[in-house]
Amino acid sequence: AQTVTQSQPEMSVQEAETVTLSCTYDTSENNYYLFWYKQPPSRQMILVIRQEAYKQQNATENRFSVNFQKAAKSFSLKISDSQLGDTAMYFCAFMKHESEGRRALTFGSGTRLQVQP
Amino acid sequence: NAGVTQTPKFQVLKTGQSMTLQCAQDMNHEYMSWYRQDPGMGLRLIHYSVGAGITDQGEVPNGYNVSRSTTEDFPLRLLSAAPSQTSVYFCASRPTGTGTGYTFGSGTRLTVV
Repeated sequence: AQTVTQSQPEMSVQEAETVTLSCTYDTSENNYYLFWYKQPPSRQMILVIRQEAYKQQNATENRFSVNFQKAAKSFSLKISDSQLGDTAMYFCAFMKHESEGRRALTFGSGTRLQVQP
Repeated sequence: NAGVTQTPKFQVLKTGQSMTLQCAQDMNHEYMSWYRQDPGMGLRLIHYSVGAGITDQGEVPNGYNVSRSTTEDFPLRLLSAAPSQTSVYFCASRPTGTGTGYTFGSGTRLTVV
């Protein structure tokens, strides 16, 4: 079974600064996907960024980028130029590749990020 | 395009009552899942489905039933509600074959008293 660990329950950052959220995972699979989801106070789950394990290049989406270290089983999220609207819970999630069986998400426990004005 | 629609948004049940949380998607997605979210524990998988007529258990299936008679609908049934089932429930769906993330509904906050 896969496990996902987020070791930072809460973080705070000043507006316009950069913050990195950590995530580690444990799996015996070779092909899989990793995701970061954002959950603002509205409760809606919003996909921020995804990474395919067989791609070495780190994914980027505007101000969001990841540092994917497959051998270390690490998948951190970097938010640049933090904005007040980035205040939310952030969840790291793992999903097996199509060919590997169950195709649901396994989530970490989340990191609550507060962006200070 | 409505995406994933969950009803109701809020519900209060008495211990022992049964109810069905509704989930519908209009994106023709094959995969659908139900999760519960509890403080400090992230989201945990209850049941999931890879297509009409096919369902399987997740991490925390006890006390819940599902069925998938159509591609669009994936209801979650609480058989006899218990206070331990107080939680926020999310339904999610995704298409096959692409590795894209799941699209989530807006959630149902359930309180069992």
